[in-house]
Amino acid sequence: QVQLVESGGGVVQPGRSLRLSCAASGFTFSNYDMHWVRQAPGKGLEWVAVISYGGSDKYYADSVKGRFIISRDNSKNTLYLQMNSLRAEDTAVYYCARPHYDSGSYVKCFDPWGQGTLVTVSS
Amino acid sequence: DIVMTQSPDSLAVSLGERATINCKSSQSVLYSSNNKNYLAWYQQKPGQPPKLLTYWASTRESEVPDRFSGSGSGTDFTLTISSLQAEDVAVYYCQQYYSSPITFGQGTRLEIK
Repeated sequence: QVQLVESGGGVVQPGRSLRLSCAASGFTFSNYDMHWVRQAPGKGLEWVAVISYGGSDKYYADSVKGRFIISRDNSKNTLYLQMNSLRAEDTAVYYCARPHYDSGSYVKCFDPWGQGTLVTVSS
Repeated sequence: DIVMTQSPDSLAVSLGERATINCKSSQSVLYSSNNKNYLAWYQQKPGQPPKLLTYWASTRESEVPDRFSGSGSGTDFTLTISSLQAEDVAVYYCQQYYSSPITFGQGTRLEIK
């Protein structure tokens, strides 16, 4: 079945770096753009970044632009998020998410989502 | 950025009754060339990722019970649960995918009265 599994979260001090991974299975990973979405504790959903299926195009939320880098390795069916210069406000569960596929086209709503990995930025 | 505003923030409904959640976008998410509204709804239960319920404003995802329905066009949208079940207790989010960046509503918490 289609599955996304995030890893790499943890507790990190402000200003430090962390790299998240998302392992994909059950679908042709290289056919899909892939996204990161985060959710601060008790808060709503915030889109973070997207990478095109081939990896050449990348877009970021203003809140992370210049600090986070999205990448992918299609040979390993894995999505990454390199998070640098972390701040307390980056504390959140980070989800990787795949666009929905419907009747031959990709729709930019998300299905499935991974279970998420918690990143806590604290001294 | 398109701002998505949901109402109410929380809602308590009796079992078997209708629940209605609203979502308003700061600009139209209707794409005139294909007459589609770029609007999705999600359900999120505690400790779980969001689950896609509907997209194109009113297309129900497969295996989503038919008591869930989405409606609306342009800037005003509604998610309706026709007969509330206990398992529907959750937070519900709308999302626009008309333009970048993708944005979500703040969420509506649905509880049993």
